[in-house]
Amino acid sequence: GDSVTQMEGPVTLSEEAFLTINCTYTATGYPSLFWYVQYPGEGLQLLLKATKADDKGSNKGFEATYRKETTSFHLEKGSVQVSDSAVYFCALSVYGGSQGNLIFGKGTKLSVKP
Amino acid sequence: DSGVTQTPKHLITATGQRVTLRCSPRSGDLSVYWYQQSLDQGLQFLIQYYNGEERAKGNILERFSAQQFPDLHSELNLSSLELGDSALYFCASSVSGGASLGEQYFGPGTRLTVT
Repeated sequence: GDSVTQMEGPVTLSEEAFLTINCTYTATGYPSLFWYVQYPGEGLQLLLKATKADDKGSNKGFEATYRKETTSFHLEKGSVQVSDSAVYFCALSVYGGSQGNLIFGKGTKLSVKP
Repeated sequence: DSGVTQTPKHLITATGQRVTLRCSPRSGDLSVYWYQQSLDQGLQFLIQYYNGEERAKGNILERFSAQQFPDLHSELNLSSLELGDSALYFCASSVSGGASLGEQYFGPGTRLTVT
């Protein structure tokens, strides 16, 4: 079945370090891909998305490119801040029309130290 | 603030009991989704409603049920509760039903503890 695999955490970085969180997927059909972020004590927020191959999603300095050939959607940021400390979830959806549930990876906890 | 509200924020109850979790979607959103987040299973999709009708079902137990009312708020009913049902339950809403068409906005969650 459809699934998302993302790198195990936790990931601990110093401020201004480069961030990569790996995400690969298995899907029937052509999924849309998402990164959601969960700050402590809050619900999930959409960080970025890509709906077709070679699309690049970007937001708040984060980027991810939809790579169909490697079935990947790795999250990157050039210089992390303490405020980026959160749990990051990669997700996909293969449904269209009126059905749109998300399938999530297990999440990667990022801690950024000053 | 996503605009999605969930009540209660915390719920502590005993095994065998029944609880109801409530979700009010963002104004104008027709779709409501329920997700369960636990340490061992991660984030799992339970069920989706679109404009009052069930649209998709995920790993939802038979002891769980949901509905979406004419004013579009939704309730998730959990019965015969077991210790393993302890989790964070999220509601999300979107304008349309297809995830590729619109962002899902998540509520703050209801933390259920079964003792």
